[in-house]
Amino acid sequence: NAGVTQTPKFQVLKTGQSMTLQCAQDMNHEYMSWYRQDPGMGLRLIHYSVGAGITDQGEVPNGYNVSRSTTEDFPLRLLSAAPSQTSVYFCASSRDLAPNEQFFGPGTRLTVL
Amino acid sequence: GIQVEQSPPDLILQEGANSTLRCNFSDSVNNLQWFHQNPWGQLINLFYIPSGTKQNGRLSATTVATERYSLLYISSSQTTDSGVYFCAAVVAQGNKLVFGAGTILRVKS
Repeated sequence: NAGVTQTPKFQVLKTGQSMTLQCAQDMNHEYMSWYRQDPGMGLRLIHYSVGAGITDQGEVPNGYNVSRSTTEDFPLRLLSAAPSQTSVYFCASSRDLAPNEQFFGPGTRLTVL
Repeated sequence: GIQVEQSPPDLILQEGANSTLRCNFSDSVNNLQWFHQNPWGQLINLFYIPSGTKQNGRLSATTVATERYSLLYISSSQTTDSGVYFCAAVVAQGNKLVFGAGTILRVKS
């Protein structure tokens, strides 16, 4: 199993540009989530999903959209990037319909100029 | 929402020393996890421990849910233990994992 994969590893955007961060898992996990990590603040939940077609907001959802059309994939979309979205983004998954024993991807480092 | 506080924020150890990291949470939880983030940024799940005690090699964790805290013990520390340790919790009847700010551990040889 590849586990949780994320692409790209690094990305630089200009303010106002849009992009999609990709996340995929091959463990047939139901629960998937996106976090952002900023210095000194730990990880904060952006959006999560408990299965295909079901998504919900986390602590910091503004400026981000998600969808879950398949069990495997959970992309995160930035519609109009802002410098405040400069961060490291992690995708995670867990087997249950809850964030138990989460497995994390390697992260995407995003810089918005 | 639930508050998760970790202490100490920073810790420097000599190789071979033992340490205890603490996590306090402000509400009843049904899910408490400890993670290690290595110096390359990878996050590894160490323990899923909503209550009781678990051990995995030199690491062990205890959660006392009624008193709203969890402890992570590292014995005979090694330089590879360096990194950031996070605890994270889900409030009872909730579905969102909330992280503490982490403890930065440096183990010197």
